[in-house]
Amino acid sequence: DGGITQSPKYLFRKEGQNVTLSCEQNLNHDAMYWYRQDPGQGLRLIYYSQIVNDFQKGDIAEGYSVSREKKESFPLTVTSAQKNPTAFYLCASSIAGGNEQFFGPGTRLTVL
Amino acid sequence: AQKVTQAQTEISVVEKEDVTLDCVYETRDTTYYLFWYKQPPSGELVFLIRRNSFDEQNEISGRYSWNFQKSTSSFNFTITASQVVDSAVYFCALSEDGTDSWGKLQFGAGTQVVVTP
Repeated sequence: DGGITQSPKYLFRKEGQNVTLSCEQNLNHDAMYWYRQDPGQGLRLIYYSQIVNDFQKGDIAEGYSVSREKKESFPLTVTSAQKNPTAFYLCASSIAGGNEQFFGPGTRLTVL
Repeated sequence: AQKVTQAQTEISVVEKEDVTLDCVYETRDTTYYLFWYKQPPSGELVFLIRRNSFDEQNEISGRYSWNFQKSTSSFNFTITASQVVDSAVYFCALSEDGTDSWGKLQFGAGTQVVVTP
């Protein structure tokens, strides 16, 4: 089945540690996105990538990093510089900008 | 500045009642796209509809209908004869066509819909 997978579903991290969230898609989409959702709020864009080996900062990129070495994969690293990383992280992909984005099941990150 | 406003934080209805979710957006672009997504308790966002700024025709899909009015910058969503499975958070989103805005979805804060039997 075509779709987007994110792993792990739940992630616990100690303060000061970097952690990488996985996102893979087999929809052959060029564009991929990372969003953060806090309780009771909408989604905020962290990073996005229009094409392999290229990515741009979104609205809240500080403390995060990404890579796009393959079309199918867009991992997100939450670094120790991110002051409040506990949140629900959603990955999405689309054919191109302006088109509907399809979302993965999300990763819930908790910093202990 | 908030570009997508969903003023209703939570709406509670009894099954079979209709429910309308409001969405007001703000943009200076002439070409833009509006979306609605559903987020059930599992957390994954489910795409419902995409509408471009040049198509003001209302749309109906089963029990779902959408009313797009450029004159009031609104893109409202109605669920007819609601069911318990409609309980979820619904998000309205805007994508602008400018170079700096490429592909980025700007979400409203969401409206929690609670349908009780």
